[in-house]
Amino acid sequence: GESVGLHLPTLSVQEGDNSIINCAYSNSASDYFIWYKQESGKGPQFIIDIRSNMDKRQGQRVTVLLNKTVKHLSLQIAATQPGDSAVYFCAERGQGGKLIFGQGTELSVKP
Amino acid sequence: GAVVSQHPSWVICKSGTSVKIECRSLDFQATTMFWYRQFPKQSLMLMATSNEGSKATYEQGVEKDKFLINHASLTLSTLTVTSAHPEDSSFYICSETSGRGTDTQYFGPGTRLTVL
Repeated sequence: GESVGLHLPTLSVQEGDNSIINCAYSNSASDYFIWYKQESGKGPQFIIDIRSNMDKRQGQRVTVLLNKTVKHLSLQIAATQPGDSAVYFCAERGQGGKLIFGQGTELSVKP
Repeated sequence: GAVVSQHPSWVICKSGTSVKIECRSLDFQATTMFWYRQFPKQSLMLMATSNEGSKATYEQGVEKDKFLINHASLTLSTLTVTSAHPEDSSFYICSETSGRGTDTQYFGPGTRLTVL
């Protein structure tokens, strides 16, 4: 069946360093992917998305890379700040527009 | 600004009672909304797809008679947890597809349900 998973459940980085959060997906037919940030007690917040006809997309301090050959997705955060501390989820759009979420990676930024 | 709101943000109830959670689209007429449940330290799990003017579509394993969904207008979907039990304690989150020329789903702030 469809599934999206993450390689690292926790990630600790020094303030100012770059962060890389990885995600693997299993459905090669998936055409749309989203990264969300979730702070404690809040709903997921949209960060960036990418379609399968692209391999890279950049936003403000964030970049998403898509490797369809190995079904891998990554989120890069440049110059990580304490405010970036949160749980990050990748999501894959499945049938009927449903989102299938990965397990999440908790990012901790050390000052 | 926020595009989806939820009410209440948290609720505590006694076992056996029913609780209604509202999800409102603030700036878009959402024909489709989604309801998720999230347990502590876990990912979001889709419960059902709420369709305006028709019956909701439930995911496998979700009891439709326990989690009643009503989507009577284009801006409001409600989730009622009937005869709540402690194991129903969770974080309930709704989302909508913006339809603003993108495929992105925007999420509400969530509702924390605690059943005593």
